[in-house]
Amino acid sequence: GAVVSQHPSRVICKSGTSVKIECRSLDFQATTMFWYRQFPKQSLMLMATSNEGSKATYEQGVEKDKFLINHASLTLSTLTVTSAHPEDSSFYICSARGGRDSPLHFGNGTRLTVT
Amino acid sequence: QKEVEQNSGPLSVPEGAIASLNCTYSDRGSQSFFWYRQYSGKSPELIMFIYSNGDKEDGRFTAQLNKASQYVSLLIRDSQPSDSATYLCAVHQGGKLIFGQGTELSVKP
Repeated sequence: GAVVSQHPSRVICKSGTSVKIECRSLDFQATTMFWYRQFPKQSLMLMATSNEGSKATYEQGVEKDKFLINHASLTLSTLTVTSAHPEDSSFYICSARGGRDSPLHFGNGTRLTVT
Repeated sequence: QKEVEQNSGPLSVPEGAIASLNCTYSDRGSQSFFWYRQYSGKSPELIMFIYSNGDKEDGRFTAQLNKASQYVSLLIRDSQPSDSATYLCAVHQGGKLIFGQGTELSVKP
């Protein structure tokens, strides 16, 4: 089945620093990737839709200048959390699909802890 | 009204029983429906997807869809302790996958 690789799986950083998370589709091309965030005991909340070769589409309430998304190729999207703060600590998960109505496949997630 | 609603549970069933998980959605135009399983601390993994009204079976899992009632369910037969997890219902709406809050299932040995 479709494989989505996400790296790193866990990162601890100091407040004010930036963290980059990579998401790769390993065996299919993904024109669209999605970034979700999940706080403990809560569901997945869509942050943004990453489109290859164009600007990402952000959900309401998500700061585009804080969460920078780059989708430079059909197999790679990156999310950079800039000037991270403790409230940004969360589980970030990327996902991708091969076609419009195809199921989403998720990366293994990145556990971000900002101290 | 939330776009996708699930009973958060926890739902507790004995080993070997049938677990029934329910989900309702608000957008009548939705066409694709998915069930994901998420173990604590892990990312979701796809269990089943269903596009047409009726039942779809895959091993111990059966997804049921009723578009008129805007209702989708997941049945797990012969529940095992390893099925204990949070089950997420997701609905494809406007090019995005919208998730319910998840139902926590506990299967007791």
